Formats: sequence, structure tokens, C-alpha cells
Amino acid sequence: QQQVRQSPQSLTVWEGETAILNCSYENSAFDYFPWYQQFPGEGPALLIAIRSVSDKKEDGRFTIFFNKREKKLSLHITDSQPGDSATYFCAASTGYQNFYFGKGTSLTVIP
Amino acid sequence: GPKVLQIPSHQIIDMGQMVTLNCDPVSNHLYFYWYKQILGQQMEFLVNFYNGKVMEKSKLFKDQFSVERPDGSYFTLKIQPTALEDSAVYFCASSLAGGDTQYFGPGTRLLVL
Repeated sequence: QQQVRQSPQSLTVWEGETAILNCSYENSAFDYFPWYQQFPGEGPALLIAIRSVSDKKEDGRFTIFFNKREKKLSLHITDSQPGDSATYFCAASTGYQNFYFGKGTSLTVIP
Repeated sequence: GPKVLQIPSHQIIDMGQMVTLNCDPVSNHLYFYWYKQILGQQMEFLVNFYNGKVMEKSKLFKDQFSVERPDGSYFTLKIQPTALEDSAVYFCASSLAGGDTQYFGPGTRLLVL
């Protein structure tokens, strides 16, 4: 059973546009949701994270919107840059336990 | 940010042989993890380790897998014997506390022939 789902599988935007990456989850006990950015040949790097007590978390051009009732969240990347081209993983965990990762969204930003 | 190192970066091995993957976690972190990622797929949790013990493991953590961190040195994943389906990228991660932010290494690309 897929605990964390991401859509779309791939996304292409023009430089300067806003990219929206979606994530949904099954387990209502999940309370911590990090987003990781992964470039080819590298390990995932933490980009931004939110806890379930918040409905929004902003860090520069990256914003997470969180809807606990619908068990959905989204990552918005404003003013997308070619350097943002990477795979983005949504993950979820509950307190002490391990993380469940989605299958990722491959983002391409065209100059 | 905090760095996790993994050695080797690549490993090619014949099916049936033993392989040990090494991870040098962030120095003050207490929780350690291994994940498996097949090309183009999501990362899948294998095991987490705290205070010298396996705390949780997934179905992917077969009997042929073992982990240890002897005397605070490398956190290792040993596969013995290896199988073709073990070919993947293995990522190590560490965190200060359970459920806390995990920091990932660059991965070890394992190819079993």
C-alpha cells in the first residue's frame, strides 16, 4: 500500500513560472512532512518541511501548503529557475518512526 | 549542512558474494537508516538503528541483510549472499532524534552480476 502519493510524475515549466507539486498521504497519524530535492547522482537533500500543526511554511521561493482534513499538501516553487530542475520527494513520518517517501516528481525548468 | 559520507560510491559484485556498504553519519546523530532506491523509483525504507539495535525494519530487509555500528565507527549494511535483485542505490541517512530531519549520504550504487 502506497502510503504517500505524489503527482504529477513529471512537470515542465518555463523559467519564472510557479511549479506546483502535489502530495497526499494515507495515515492520518503522520505529523511531519519534509520535502527532499534530489539531483541525478546525488542523495536527497532536505528542502523544506512542515509539521501538521501548521497549514503553511515558507522559505524563500519554496512554500508548502498543508490541508490536514484532506490529507494533502503541495509544494509551490515560485519564479522557477533552471537550477531547480531535479526530482522532488514528499515524505511523511509520525514521531519516532521511519519516513515514507512518495515516488517523486521530476521537475524540468526550461530557460 | 550536515554531511553524511558513504563508501564506496560504486560497487560491482558477483551474485552470491558478500558486500559491505559503509556510512559515516553526522557526528552527533543517534539514529541511522538505510534506504534502497531502484533507478527511477522512490526510496524505500530498509531499516533504522538506534543505540546498537535495529528499531524497525521493512519487508525489504531480508534475512541476508544485517546492520551494525561497532564502537561508533561506520554504520554498515552487509548483504550476504547477494542476489541480482539487490542491485540498486543504497542511501544511508542519520538524524539527531527519531522522526527528526534525516540527512542523506550520496548513495552507494551496487550492481550485482
